[in-house]
Amino acid sequence: GAGVSQTPSNKVTEKGKYVELRCDPISGHTALYWYRQSLGQGPEFLIYFQGTGAADDSGLPNDRFFAVRPEGSVSTLKIQRTERGDSAVYLCASSLDGNTEAFFGQGTRLTVV
Amino acid sequence: QQQVKQSPQSLIVQKGGISIINCAYENTAFDYFPWYQQFPGKGPALLIAIRPDVSEKKEGRFTISFNKSAKQFSLHIMDSQPGDSATYFCAGGMDSSYKLIFGSGTRLLVRP
Repeated sequence: GAGVSQTPSNKVTEKGKYVELRCDPISGHTALYWYRQSLGQGPEFLIYFQGTGAADDSGLPNDRFFAVRPEGSVSTLKIQRTERGDSAVYLCASSLDGNTEAFFGQGTRLTVV
Repeated sequence: QQQVKQSPQSLIVQKGGISIINCAYENTAFDYFPWYQQFPGKGPALLIAIRPDVSEKKEGRFTISFNKSAKQFSLHIMDSQPGDSATYFCAGGMDSSYKLIFGSGTRLLVRP
């Protein structure tokens, strides 16, 4: 596609529920990143994929968060037992090879009520 | 050691004026310093980036000044326009786009 696409744009879920957030990177980009942006803050790194493998997941806050990229393209961020503190905009970005500019999607706004 | 501190939090500039945003970093291993522009409801978009081997980089109306010894860098927007009104984030990282550490952002308003 023309840019990084994230779905859904908005997600409201109840505390304790499971959610999946999807990212379609730019075609041909091998590197994919997930960031989380809380209100009034800069994005915070969560996880980095190079191809199908998670090269660095050191930013995931706890074991309720998990991400996959099974075919080296689309990625899904999965959050179990959501908490109100998980409410934020989840941003996905991709780059050609991890050493060039990262292009961000528009984000998924997650609200846990 | 990982923080990037950004100031000011908000900035109001008249059209045609110069907007200046400052950042300071702690991690001397950082070798890539981008500035991102973010409009409401959109993801951040790369504006301009610099590496520590140069002290200044200019692209159109946007200039990054970099002071390696002070571990500081700044964004200057010349001839600021109302369309420049957005939130600006500085960041630092190693190996280019990987694992960027972002500042807290500066909300810029350019008055007509």
